[in-house]
Amino acid sequence: DAGVIQSPRHEVTEMGQEVTLRCKPISGHDYLFWYRQTMMRGLELLIYFNNNVPIDDSGMPEDRFSAKMPNASFSTLKIQPSEPRDSAVYFCASSLNHDTYEQYFGPGTRLTVT
Amino acid sequence: GENVEQHPSTLSVQEGDSAVIKCTYSDSASNYFPWYKQELGKRPQLIIDIRSNVGEKKDQRIAVTLNKTAKHFSLHITETQPEDSAVYFCAASRDSSGSARQLTFGSGTQLTVLP
Repeated sequence: DAGVIQSPRHEVTEMGQEVTLRCKPISGHDYLFWYRQTMMRGLELLIYFNNNVPIDDSGMPEDRFSAKMPNASFSTLKIQPSEPRDSAVYFCASSLNHDTYEQYFGPGTRLTVT
Repeated sequence: GENVEQHPSTLSVQEGDSAVIKCTYSDSASNYFPWYKQELGKRPQLIIDIRSNVGEKKDQRIAVTLNKTAKHFSLHITETQPEDSAVYFCAASRDSSGSARQLTFGSGTQLTVLP
């Protein structure tokens, strides 16, 4: 298995632009998580899905952030409009099912908003 | 919600010495405690975990201990090597009916193993 796949690996954009981050979870995994990592706030859970349905989005910082999972093999995290304070590394992770504990992280997308 | 505190934030040890990283958690219902290692520019990777029905778990040079009464758990690395240099994160999770085990992460410890 290729593991969790994320694209792009790096994204540089100007303030005000729309940014879309993409994730492909491990095949067969029921759960998908989006995290944000910054020096100041560490690793924060933004939102997670179970069987493509958003379960908890309480970590989403504000309305500029949205996430979708149209099918079991694809999810997007969109920021519109982007701001410099959104600069961070965004990780996607997946987990097999409710009976398993382990989460497997993707390589991350380093986002820089200028 | 859960709050996980991790200490120290930085740790330097001589190669061959042991390293200990400690975490405390607030939610007494938490029952799963993983440790992740993150090398510079890489993804967090699970290195060891422990569940609340176990007090200690060992895997070669790494071990984790859990004290549920005191609500703290620790990572122990023996015979440290330069490749152990990384940021280590602890996390805690509770079993949530009908949903995944959400992880709350500590703030991380930068471990540097000096040759």
